[in-house]
Amino acid sequence: GDSVTQTEGQVALSEEDFLTIHCNYSASGYPTLFWYVQYPGEGPQLLFRASRDKEKGSSRGFEATYDKGTTSFHLRKASVQESDSAVYYCALRRMQQGTGSKLSFGKGAKLTVSP
Amino acid sequence: DPKIIQKPKYLVAVTGSEKILICEQYLGHNAMYWYRQSAKKPLEFMFSYSYQKLMDNQTASSRFQPQSSKKNHLDLQITALKPDDSATYFCASSLRDWGSYEQYFGPGTRLTVL
Repeated sequence: GDSVTQTEGQVALSEEDFLTIHCNYSASGYPTLFWYVQYPGEGPQLLFRASRDKEKGSSRGFEATYDKGTTSFHLRKASVQESDSAVYYCALRRMQQGTGSKLSFGKGAKLTVSP
Repeated sequence: DPKIIQKPKYLVAVTGSEKILICEQYLGHNAMYWYRQSAKKPLEFMFSYSYQKLMDNQTASSRFQPQSSKKNHLDLQITALKPDDSATYFCASSLRDWGSYEQYFGPGTRLTVL
């Protein structure tokens, strides 16, 4: 079945540090890949998505590039801020007819940014 | 104004009881979903509905029953509650249940089963 692997469970950085959160996926066909962010007490919010190989998604200074060759969609940000502290989820959704529209999520990475 | 309302925000139940989690969306969407998030598992898909019809069910137990009385409502009835059911339950919606339409999530109902 479809799966998403996030290797970092916790990420601790200082303001202005560079962020990388790794995401690898396993799915047949061409899934759409997503990054969601979740703040305490709230539901996940979409950061951005990408649907094609080499497509870059970006929002609020975060970005990720769909790489079908390495089945990856790593999240990066050049300079993090304290307000970026949250849990980040990588997710995928297969878009073929009949497969439904469920999102399959990774386990999440909790980012803590210190001032 | 919140576009997806989930009620209640917190819920405490005893083992063996039954509870209903409420979800209403005011986004004009045609597809609605339930996800579960617990300490043991990440966000986990449970059900999807499109135009009030069940499209996908990934929940093994029949104790979980979605109920769609109106197009913009998708409640979740849970019977014979167990401590393992303790989790935060998120309702989500999207304009359609196909294509690349974004799923918007509600704030969640945090259920604790004693």
